[in-house]
Amino acid sequence: QQQVKQSPQSLIVQKGGIPIINCAYENTAFDYFPWYQQFPGKGPALLIAIRPDVSEKKEGRFTISFNKSAKQFSLHIMDSQPGDSATYFCAASGRTGGSYIPTFGRGTSLIVHP
Amino acid sequence: KAGVTQTPRYLIKTRGQQVTLSCSPISGHRSVSWYQQTPGQGLQFLFEYFSETQRNKGNFPGRFSGRQFSNSRSEMNVSTLELGDSALYLCASSTTSAGYEQYFGPGTRLTVT
Repeated sequence: QQQVKQSPQSLIVQKGGIPIINCAYENTAFDYFPWYQQFPGKGPALLIAIRPDVSEKKEGRFTISFNKSAKQFSLHIMDSQPGDSATYFCAASGRTGGSYIPTFGRGTSLIVHP
Repeated sequence: KAGVTQTPRYLIKTRGQQVTLSCSPISGHRSVSWYQQTPGQGLQFLFEYFSETQRNKGNFPGRFSGRQFSNSRSEMNVSTLELGDSALYLCASSTTSAGYEQYFGPGTRLTVT
């Protein structure tokens, strides 16, 4: 059972475009939603995260929008650059056994053309 | 601070063998988690250790095991390797006792032939 559904699987945009990646979750106990960026040959890097008490969070060119009632959240990348080309993973977690164990989406491969 | 380090970076093993992977967390981080990443299944949680105790375990067979040492370094072991164990194994450490902000290492690429 896939608890976090991520779409699209791949995305191609031109430089300056605003790619949007969407995720939906099922478990209402989830209360921490991070996004990770992974370049080839590297491990995922924490990009930005949000908790359900806010509907939007911005860090630089990256924005998370969160809709608690719909159980959906999305990542927007403003003024995208070729260097943003990477795989992006959303995740959702709730406290389990004293810690937060993320359930990851399947990932979105983003290509930003110059 | 140095990031999470994992050794070895690449490994080729034969079916039936066993393998041990090592992870050194960021200095001061006490929570260490392990993940398996494959094209087919994505990122899947293996287990998490905090203060030398396994705190959470994912849905993997008993062939997968791990441990954490008093200096927070961690190892994972896979016995009786199967072809399907070929994957990128990622270690992540966290500064918080709750472990929610995780910092990943570069991973160990395991190929089973």
